[in-house]
Amino acid sequence: DQQVKQNSPSLSVQEGRISILNCDYTNSMFDYFLWYKKYPAEGPTFLISISSIKDKNEDGRFTVFLNKSAKHLSLHIVPSQPGDSAVYFCAASGSSGSARQLTFGSGTQLTVLP
Amino acid sequence: IAGITQAPTSQILAAGRRMTLRCTQDMRHNAMYWYRQDLGLGLRLIHYSNTAGTTGKGEVPDGYSVSRANTDDFPLTLASAVPSQTSVYFCASSRSGGRTDTQYFGPGTRLTVL
Repeated sequence: DQQVKQNSPSLSVQEGRISILNCDYTNSMFDYFLWYKKYPAEGPTFLISISSIKDKNEDGRFTVFLNKSAKHLSLHIVPSQPGDSAVYFCAASGSSGSARQLTFGSGTQLTVLP
Repeated sequence: IAGITQAPTSQILAAGRRMTLRCTQDMRHNAMYWYRQDLGLGLRLIHYSNTAGTTGKGEVPDGYSVSRANTDDFPLTLASAVPSQTSVYFCASSRSGGRTDTQYFGPGTRLTVL
């Protein structure tokens, strides 16, 4: 059973509007969450992260919100730009030995329409 | 340019053949990882290495082996490929495998096993 779920395979928004990508997790041991962005034929690139001691982290146009009680996080992109069109992966980690092993969601394809 | 390189970019392989996917990083990162990406499943960890000389199993290690003879290289070997190993393989590295380390990904290898 997937421990990190992205239930929306795709999302389309108009340029300039807000994009909201959602992610749910089931493992209460997860304490660090990340979003990665992936363009076709490239590897994922880190976008933003949040620790479980926070409920919000902001970096420019990108904000991640964490609701621990609901085991839910979301990524807000405001304003959305055509260059934001990519697959977005949510990932989570908890301490496991001495290496941080990421558990990824299945991804959401974001398309920003000009 | 600093980063992670993977070779080959793509490969078609007959079932039963042996194959090694190469990964090299020049960032002097201690931790390295191998993931596979399958449609609808996101990225799943195959093997990881905290530091040169050590390796560990991830979520889906069966049918794969790794070695970490030095800091820079982390090859992934399929001893006898099967069609279910058709996937896109990503190598990643992080500075120490620590709690807030960012994982940097290579461009991926697309492998098809017939």
